[in-house]
Amino acid sequence: KQEVTQIPAALSVPEGENLVLNCSFTDSAIYNLQWFRQDPGKGLTSLLLIQSSQREQTSGRLNASLDKSSGRSTLYIAASQPGDSATYLCAVSGGGADGLTFGKGTHLIIQP
Amino acid sequence: NAGVMQNPRHLVRRRGQEARLRCSPMKGHSHVYWYRQLPEEGLKFMVYLQKENIIDESGMPKERFSAEFPKEGPSILRIQQVVRGDSAAYFCASSPPSGQQYEQYFGPGTRLTVT
Repeated sequence: KQEVTQIPAALSVPEGENLVLNCSFTDSAIYNLQWFRQDPGKGLTSLLLIQSSQREQTSGRLNASLDKSSGRSTLYIAASQPGDSATYLCAVSGGGADGLTFGKGTHLIIQP
Repeated sequence: NAGVMQNPRHLVRRRGQEARLRCSPMKGHSHVYWYRQLPEEGLKFMVYLQKENIIDESGMPKERFSAEFPKEGPSILRIQQVVRGDSAAYFCASSPPSGQQYEQYFGPGTRLTVT
């Protein structure tokens, strides 16, 4: 059974810092990995999707890497801003159209 | 292109009543997923449907819960005889047809409160 773990559970940093969020998964046989952000009381916004054959994806100040063999992914946020404050969720799919298995998230606070 | 739509956004039911949650996928998407987020817990997969077919319901509780995605109209998640433990946020997601990346796009959720 796939399990996804996210470390740290919570993080508070001053504005402007670069930061790394970690995600690990127990079964390396994944199809893809998605990073989402969730604002309080809201739905999920897809940030990046990495196919199992890819090593990284970039969107603006965000960069996600994937090391499938070791079961790890990182989300790098450059030059953090208060608007980045949210919960960041990592999720993996075992097959193309399978349901996602989620981690419990990293609650991020960027201090102005 | 409108995103995934869910309604109602908030639903209050008394114990023993039925709850019906609706989800309209993004235009052109043929795959619908339902997830549940219990307080202080992560999102859990419940069921995956395509038009008129349940593909994977391995995450659905065995009793009181059912889902459908009819040929016409939205997908429906139905919870019969609700109990307090059903209070949660229920999210729907959709993804494009086969052959694409299967990226899932989420709706805003329905927050169910059972009193």
